[in-house]
Amino acid sequence: DQQVKQNSPSLSVQEGRISILNCDYTNSMFDYFLWYKKYPAEGPTFLISISSIKDKNEDGRFTVFLNKSAKHLSLHIVPSQPGDSAVYFCAASARWNTGTASKLTFGTGTRLQVTL
Amino acid sequence: DGGITQSPKYLFRKEGQNVTLSCEQNLNHDAMYWYRQDPGQGLRLIYYSQIVNDFQKGDIAEGYSVSREKKESFPLTVTSAQKNPTAFYLCASSRGGRDEAFFGQGTRLTVV
Repeated sequence: DQQVKQNSPSLSVQEGRISILNCDYTNSMFDYFLWYKKYPAEGPTFLISISSIKDKNEDGRFTVFLNKSAKHLSLHIVPSQPGDSAVYFCAASARWNTGTASKLTFGTGTRLQVTL
Repeated sequence: DGGITQSPKYLFRKEGQNVTLSCEQNLNHDAMYWYRQDPGQGLRLIYYSQIVNDFQKGDIAEGYSVSREKKESFPLTVTSAQKNPTAFYLCASSRGGRDEAFFGQGTRLTVV
């Protein structure tokens, strides 16, 4: 059962335009969400996160929006640049019953291609 | 330079052999994780550890084993019981709480 879903496996956007990557989740216990960027044969790198007490978080060209009622979040990249071409993973976590570490559940990823 | 080191980057093994993947971090993080990535799939959690000498199964622990004898190290053994061991394996660590996880560069394991 896929608790975090990224329904678009790929997205192509022209340089300078906005890229919008979407993510849906089913587990209402998730209360913290993250976006990671991944290049082939490398580990993911953290981009931006959002807590469920917020509906928006912005960091430079990257903005994440959270709609809790719809169990939906999106990542906006403005303006898109060729270096943004990578696979983007959405991840979610819920506080464990014991301990403090965060166990991340990942989506299947969306491959973004930014064209010239 | 702080970070997470996974070695080797590429690993080939014959079917039926156990193999151990190394993961070392010098970030002083309490929590460490092992994920597996298959083509077209997201990262799936194999095992995680919140503190030394403690670890728990993730979503796909069957056929794998781990140890956490030192804070810096969290090796993963892929045993012969793992039915489909060929995959890209990623180790991560975090301070805990709601801090993001930092990932290593990954180890691509191919079993022939």
